[in-house]
Amino acid sequence: SQTIHQWPATLVQPVGSPLSLECTVEGTSNPNLYWYRQAAGRGLQLLFYSVGIGQISSEVPQNLSASRPQDRQFILSSKKLLLSDSGFYLCAWTGTEPFYEQYFGPGTRLTVT
Amino acid sequence: GQQVMQIPQYQHVQEGEDFTTYCNSSTTLSNIQWYKQRPGGHPVFLIQLVKSGEVKKQKRLTFQFGEAKKNSSLHITATQTTDVGTYFCAGRTGRRALTFGSGTRLQVQP
Repeated sequence: SQTIHQWPATLVQPVGSPLSLECTVEGTSNPNLYWYRQAAGRGLQLLFYSVGIGQISSEVPQNLSASRPQDRQFILSSKKLLLSDSGFYLCAWTGTEPFYEQYFGPGTRLTVT
Repeated sequence: GQQVMQIPQYQHVQEGEDFTTYCNSSTTLSNIQWYKQRPGGHPVFLIQLVKSGEVKKQKRLTFQFGEAKKNSSLHITATQTTDVGTYFCAGRTGRRALTFGSGTRLQVQP
């Protein structure tokens, strides 16, 4: 069965510090991968998605970037965090027929202080 | 771009009362999905609706897709404390990525 891992689970970082969040998927090959951000009490904002190694589409311009160095690895990064980057970061992959639903990882709760 | 709006943002009900959340898209959708996120957890897929006017039931949950495929609703009959969480709709147009609504947070008082 497919599993999605994210780490760390929680993170507290000062403003201006770098960020690296990692997501890995097991049990599937060539998945479509996504990064979402959820601000406290708010909806899901799609940040990036990837259909393959090295292929990244950005949905929202900001100080975040994403990379996909391996088929089942998706990384979210920032060179300098802002207070507004605080939130719950969720990695997801798309299932197969018939629904192509999103399977979400456990998430990383980031607090920028 | 495509927008999916969801109302209400928050609802507090007494256990046993019914609950409904509504979802409206700015564009015609090819399908709509519903997710539930428990407090502190991640969203979990509930169901997908594809056909115009489609109605699906999961125990006390009833999902509807509008005739014009631009709106949807989730109705919970006789809420229980286990229904607490945030309910998201997510619409898809063609092969594009899902667009999630802003979610409705449901609080159920015992």
